[in-house]
Amino acid sequence: KAGVTQTPRYLIKTRGQQVTLSCSPISGHRSVSWYQQTPGQGLQFLFEYFSETQRNKGNFPGRFSGRQFSNSRSEMNVSTLELGDSALYLCASSLDTGNGNTIYFGEGSWLTVV
Amino acid sequence: QQPVQSPQAVILREGEDAVINCSSSKALYSVHWYRQKHGEAPVFLMILLKGGEQKGHDKISASFNEKKQQSSLYLTASQLSYSGTYFCGTDPNTGNQFYFGTGTSLTVIP
Repeated sequence: KAGVTQTPRYLIKTRGQQVTLSCSPISGHRSVSWYQQTPGQGLQFLFEYFSETQRNKGNFPGRFSGRQFSNSRSEMNVSTLELGDSALYLCASSLDTGNGNTIYFGEGSWLTVV
Repeated sequence: QQPVQSPQAVILREGEDAVINCSSSKALYSVHWYRQKHGEAPVFLMILLKGGEQKGHDKISASFNEKKQQSSLYLTASQLSYSGTYFCGTDPNTGNQFYFGTGTSLTVIP
C-alpha cells in the first residue's frame, strides 16, 4: 500500500514568488492535513481538508491556502513568499473514522526562500 | 495550545530506559506519539484515547492521565534504532487538528 506522496521534495523560490505543493494521500484516506515544520517552532498545524472542504485551520496568514480535490489529493499554496516561509511542509492523511484517527505523514517538501 | 515536552534532549546507552513527558493546558481527547529521524517523515508510534484505549507499538508503552492532561512515553531496553526526535501530538476536540510539542531529541549510543 503506497504511503503519502508529496511533490516536489525540494524547491527554492525567491521572495515575493508563490509556490504550490502537492499531496496524494494513502488510498482510501479522505482527510488530508498540512503542517509546517521549522527548527524553532516545531510542527505547526496549517489546515485540514475532508471531502473537499476545509474543516480546520491553524493560525497562519491568508497567504497560506489549500484545497482538496474529489480524489482526495490536496494542494497547498503560499503566495508572496517571505524568508520566514522556509521550512519543511508535511502532509498527513487519515481515514477519519471519528475515533482516535491516526495520521500518516509524507516525507515532506523542503522549501527554501531566498 | 502547543503541548510542552520534557526533557528536550536525552542521551542513553543501549539497553537503558527513558521516559518522555507531554503536558497540555487544554482538555484532551487523544494523545499521539511520533518519532522522526533526520530528513525523514514522522512515523506513528502510539495513540492513547480518552477512556484508556491504546493502539500502537509493541515495544513502546505510554500512559495518558486525562485529569492532569499529561502523557508519558516509556522506552525500555533502548536500541540504537530508537534514536530520533519524539513528538507528542494532542487532539483537543476529536478532529484532525493536532498540536505537536517541540520534540524530544533522543540519542542512543553503543
